[in-house]
Parts: sequence; structure tokens; C-alpha cells
Amino acid sequence: QKEVEQDPGPLSVPEGAIVSLNCTYSNSAFQYFMWYRQYSRKGPELLMYTYSSGNKEDGRFTAQVDKSSKYISLFIRDSQPSDSATYLCAMSERGNNRLAFGKGNQVVVIP
Amino acid sequence: DAGITQSPRHKVTETGTPVTLRCHQTENHRYMYWYRQDPGHGLRLIHYSYGVKDTDKGEVSDGYSVSRSKTEDFLLTLESATSSQTSVYFCAVSGGINQPQHFGDGTRLSIL
Repeated sequence: QKEVEQDPGPLSVPEGAIVSLNCTYSNSAFQYFMWYRQYSRKGPELLMYTYSSGNKEDGRFTAQVDKSSKYISLFIRDSQPSDSATYLCAMSERGNNRLAFGKGNQVVVIP
Repeated sequence: DAGITQSPRHKVTETGTPVTLRCHQTENHRYMYWYRQDPGHGLRLIHYSYGVKDTDKGEVSDGYSVSRSKTEDFLLTLESATSSQTSVYFCAVSGGINQPQHFGDGTRLSIL
């Protein structure tokens, strides 16, 4: 079983729809959870950073962490064509710099 | 913008040649990282540094070496490049353990 599983997509949605992305993981020691957005030929850009369980909201983006199920989610409300990108989840243990990444989920928002 | 500059942005070279990639940061972050990104594998850590002259291996360090003689610069060297090292290489920085990592825009390296 891979440490972090993420459906690669692609996921196509119409403009204005809600985008729902998720990752599952196997390491119960993970406590820090991140979502990155990566445009083609660019580096990953940090979107959301959360510690332990719960929800975090930032504008149109909401990150959820359910440690009991080892499951994290990212929701994008009112999606725009500019949200078309690959979204990477990442996570780490407390006191450990190593990030475990999902393979990324490609999202296409159709105008 | 985390103030990260990677150079070169693109490089094509031949098997067996040495290659050095440079990462330069302007914000005095303590930690610096080198990753490679390949289809089907995602991002994988090659080496990281936790201070000047302090480095450690990541999960895919074989065939790579690093050096950090100044806070702002972190070099990745392929002593004798192989075709399996064709990849996109990303540098990242962070202020401390479990602090968010911020990435540069990558170097596309092709080894023929």
C-alpha cells in the first residue's frame, strides 16, 4: 500500500461548480497536511496548510482533515478556468521535514 | 513569492557528464530541499539542508550530491549523469521543521 493515495484524474467540471479532491494515507503519524496547486511548467504553490484534524477555509478553498479515517479533502467553490491545474496533497510527521506527496490530481474547469 | 531562483531552467546533456543545478533564495530560510518530479512517481526528496554545510539524504539520493556553502545557495550535482536522471528538479525552502515548504519553478533536465 502506498503511503499517500491520490486519484490522478483528470477531473473536468463546468465553471462555477464545486471541485472536490481527496487523498487517503496509511501512516497514522502524519499530523501536518498540505495542498499545493501546480500549473503546467511551474513549481507547486502552497494553497492550504493544516495541523491535525478539522477544517480550514481560505476564500473559495476549504481543506478538511479526518485523521480517524486517514482522509483529507480539498473543496474549491465557484470554480474558475484559472483553477485548472494539478493539485497535490502532501503530509508530514511532527518533527520530520520529509513530505509525503500524492501523485497529483489534474483538474480542468470548462468555461 | 518565496524568492527562489533555480538555474538553469532547462538543460540537455549527455550520459556520463557532470551536471550542477543551482538554487538561490533571498529570504534567509534555514532549510532547503531538492526534489525530483517524474510521471507516475510524484515528488520525491533527493537531499535537504538544515544549515550551512549541514545536509542529509532523502529517499532517492543515489547518484546525487549536494553542497551548501552559503545560506542562500544550495547546489545539486550529478557526478556522472544517467538517462534515469532525466526529470524535472525542484528546489524548496522552509523556515523550520514542519514549516510550509515553498517551491521554485524547476529545472528541466534531459540526459541523452
